Amino acid sequence: DTEVTQTPKHLVMGMTNKKSLKCEQHMGHRAMYWYKQKAKKPPELMFVYSYEKLSINESVPSRFSPECPNSSLLNLHLHALQPEDSALYLCASSQVPTGDNLAKNIQYFGAGTRLSVL
Amino acid sequence: AQKVTQAQTEISVVEKEDVTLDCVYETRDTTYYLFWYKQPPSGELVFLIRRNSFDEQNEISGRYSWNFQKSTSSFNFTITASQVVDSAVYFCALEGSGGSNYKLTFGKGTLLTVNP
Repeated sequence: DTEVTQTPKHLVMGMTNKKSLKCEQHMGHRAMYWYKQKAKKPPELMFVYSYEKLSINESVPSRFSPECPNSSLLNLHLHALQPEDSALYLCASSQVPTGDNLAKNIQYFGAGTRLSVL
Repeated sequence: AQKVTQAQTEISVVEKEDVTLDCVYETRDTTYYLFWYKQPPSGELVFLIRRNSFDEQNEISGRYSWNFQKSTSSFNFTITASQVVDSAVYFCALEGSGGSNYKLTFGKGTLLTVNP
């Protein structure tokens, strides 16, 4: 089973709202990722969690706040977003890449949340 | 720095035609991994294949085949007898090993449209 589940599928929010995106996987993966994808562009890495600890933050504005409450769940809390933050937000998971298992580091993606900020 | 180039922005074919999607990469790592993902209109990126830099053997999976050539830094993807369900954006991606674990460098993607 290579399923990564993201909710909600669609989200419309105002610039003053607070909302959260959720991601869940049950593949036993200990690395989880958030990506942002604008239309007709490739995904851009935002955050990486490894063993539930933030490992990479690609200089993402603080209005995006990630959280990894346990090894299966990944949240992205949104606050005071701008219209230019409208995009497809993708979650992915993988085994934690190490020198011994780089070959197994395949990232499996969810279907994403389409976010519109008004 | 790593770079992946997919020079074909859009390709349109008629069903049952064969189609090749090109991917050229740049990296200074001696160990690296190449990937192809498919993104249908639904949005999910679907993993298709991973190849490591030491394995240049071509691979075939059903109607899909991949040609990896280190000499030309290319990892091309061919769909034989294309079908309408193959319509999607296809991304080629590179992951290095020199401190860039976790990070996939994506190409800009190729939009494939298969017409009935």
